[in-house]
Amino acid sequence: SAVISQKPSRDICQRGTSLTIQCQVDSQVTMMFWYRQQPGQSLTLIATANQGSEATYESGFVIDKFPISRPNLTFSTLTVSNMSPEDSSIYLCSVTPEQGFGDTQYFGPGTRLTVL
Amino acid sequence: GQQVMQIPQYQHVQEGEDFTTYCNSSTTLSNIQWYKQRPGGHPVFLIQLVKSGEVKKQKRLTFQFGEAKKNSSLHITATQTTDVGTYFCAGHASGGSYIPTFGRGTSLIVHP
Repeated sequence: SAVISQKPSRDICQRGTSLTIQCQVDSQVTMMFWYRQQPGQSLTLIATANQGSEATYESGFVIDKFPISRPNLTFSTLTVSNMSPEDSSIYLCSVTPEQGFGDTQYFGPGTRLTVL
Repeated sequence: GQQVMQIPQYQHVQEGEDFTTYCNSSTTLSNIQWYKQRPGGHPVFLIQLVKSGEVKKQKRLTFQFGEAKKNSSLHITATQTTDVGTYFCAGHASGGSYIPTFGRGTSLIVHP
């Protein structure tokens, strides 16, 4: 398993500003992901954070809005840019420690974002 | 693309009653995972099923994987208030996939 921390745990932001969320893992992991979960909804994958290269974004998500960094195998950041109230959500980092297909995902505690 | 349907969306039960949530995939899966998210918490891995027809138990929880590897269920016997939360299934497409497709989840509400 992996122990994951996220910062901040929650924030209230003004429209038009940006917020960077950090995800730290206690061990090196192959795959890191960023999800969004709106209230009462399922998990929507934003992107796969790739170490040393550009993130792989899912349909409906773009780099300009959600820039992602992954400088090493234990750390990643997600920025929510030019925020609007529609960006209010829980943002979750997850990892798969192993390298194979179909591996278990371990989730961080999440960042609860409210945009006014 | 692959879709994973999960029903029901919500389930209210009296403490002591049983509970079942069902998951159906549009395509054959290599495995299926179940996660539980407590209110205000994050999803936590419960179990993974890999084999056709597989059944696994964790105390009062019974997990099944269909023979065709396209459906799965989670059954809780004699629910307790500690079972409250949202249960998600997540399926990996057969042929190799790093990223599962999550169902929309079933929220279980247990009334004491």
